[in-house]
Amino acid sequence: QKEVEQNSGPLSVPEGAIASLNCTYSDRGSQSFFWYRQYSGKSPELIMFIYSNGDKEDGRFTAQLNKASQYVSLLIRDSQPSDSATYLCAVNSGGSNYKLTFGKGTLLTVNP
Amino acid sequence: NAGVTQTPKFRILKIGQSMTLQCTQDMNHNYMYWYRQDPGMGLKLIYYSVGAGITDKGEVPNGYNVSRSTTEDFPLRLELAAPSQTSVYFCASSPGQGGDGRQPQHFGDGTRLSIL
Repeated sequence: QKEVEQNSGPLSVPEGAIASLNCTYSDRGSQSFFWYRQYSGKSPELIMFIYSNGDKEDGRFTAQLNKASQYVSLLIRDSQPSDSATYLCAVNSGGSNYKLTFGKGTLLTVNP
Repeated sequence: NAGVTQTPKFRILKIGQSMTLQCTQDMNHNYMYWYRQDPGMGLKLIYYSVGAGITDKGEVPNGYNVSRSTTEDFPLRLELAAPSQTSVYFCASSPGQGGDGRQPQHFGDGTRLSIL
């Protein structure tokens, strides 16, 4: 059973701080990794993806991947109240069907 | 460009009733997926399709059926609704090109289904 684990939170940070969201996965053959943001009552929205070990930056977001440790993280710099949402980690299950395995998500609250 | 469109947005069913959740995409994506999301849980894959005429089971297929007669449409059928199927249902699509899994999925707005 391929698993993706996230701390459910809630993770609470003050406005302007760095929020760090973590995700571990069980399948060593996983090739691609995605972070989705989901506001309450809304659909998941892709915010970052990463395929190679190391860091990938996009604006205030940085995704970090360590395949040896089977660990992927998302850093949000200068956190804003509008960043308050559930963040879902998703991992490509391999093969040609492009199935994703999702974690349960981490609820982030940014306090003004 | 509408992306992935799901209808209806909300529905209340009685136990034992049947219904079809509609999903259509206008991005010419080959791959389409149906998920359910229960409160506080991640997304569970119900069924997926890699092209017209091809479907396969996901993690939680029991109680559901799908068909894919065109590239654009991927309806999900509930035959005998049960309270355990109360959930939010999301349809998603991805291009499906290449072999390295670098295919983010794009989601519809969801259908909120209650079975009483």
